Amino acid sequence: AQKITQTQPGMFVQEKEAVTLDCTYDTSDPSYGLFWYKQPSSGEMIFLIYQGSYDQQNATEGRYSLNFQKARKSANLVISASQLGDSAMYFCAMRERVRTGANSKLTFGKGITLSVRP
Amino acid sequence: GAGVSQSPSNKVTEKGKDVELRCDPISGHTALYWYRQSLGQGLEFLIYFQGNSAPDKSGLPSDRFSAERTGGSVSTLTIQRTQQEDSAVYLCASSLAHGGGDGELFFGEGSRLTVL
Repeated sequence: AQKITQTQPGMFVQEKEAVTLDCTYDTSDPSYGLFWYKQPSSGEMIFLIYQGSYDQQNATEGRYSLNFQKARKSANLVISASQLGDSAMYFCAMRERVRTGANSKLTFGKGITLSVRP
Repeated sequence: GAGVSQSPSNKVTEKGKDVELRCDPISGHTALYWYRQSLGQGLEFLIYFQGNSAPDKSGLPSDRFSAERTGGSVSTLTIQRTQQEDSAVYLCASSLAHGGGDGELFFGEGSRLTVL
């Protein structure tokens, strides 16, 4: 089974509107972390936000927030007030066994392309 | 250096040749990762180094692929007898120790490999 699932093929949003990018994950580990990265056309990978499985509150970073629903195993990224510069590929990723520290590679989803329309 | 440095940025080679890709992580980062990204696709995990621990090689696609990390710093990814399907961008990333769990990965700009 895939660890990280991002099924939206491509998303379009009007500038200044909010958009939600979906991510579901699969793990039996009680301790894990979830990450979102942005990859613009230039190819660089930009870290956006992190959510730990034990965190009591949903993570927020500026215009980015994470809608973490643990029971549903979803970690959707919400971008508020979209800007043209938000057009990029967005990747959800997971790190398992956070507390033991073992096997802490990040497993990435296939990504979602977001296009912001002026 | 200030960030993760990878070289070469572009490499074109002929099928069957060996290639070496280099990664210089951020100073002080004990964890180093190699990923592969084919055109328009997600990141495929290859190998992970953490300090003096045995590396996690579970993502290497075949025995043609190998990597080493010398002195806990610079890493070299070697692909022997390259095939056309090896064409991709090879991304290196580094992070601080994983104890806290939220250690984000800092990525280099990648090495684009084209096998003719």
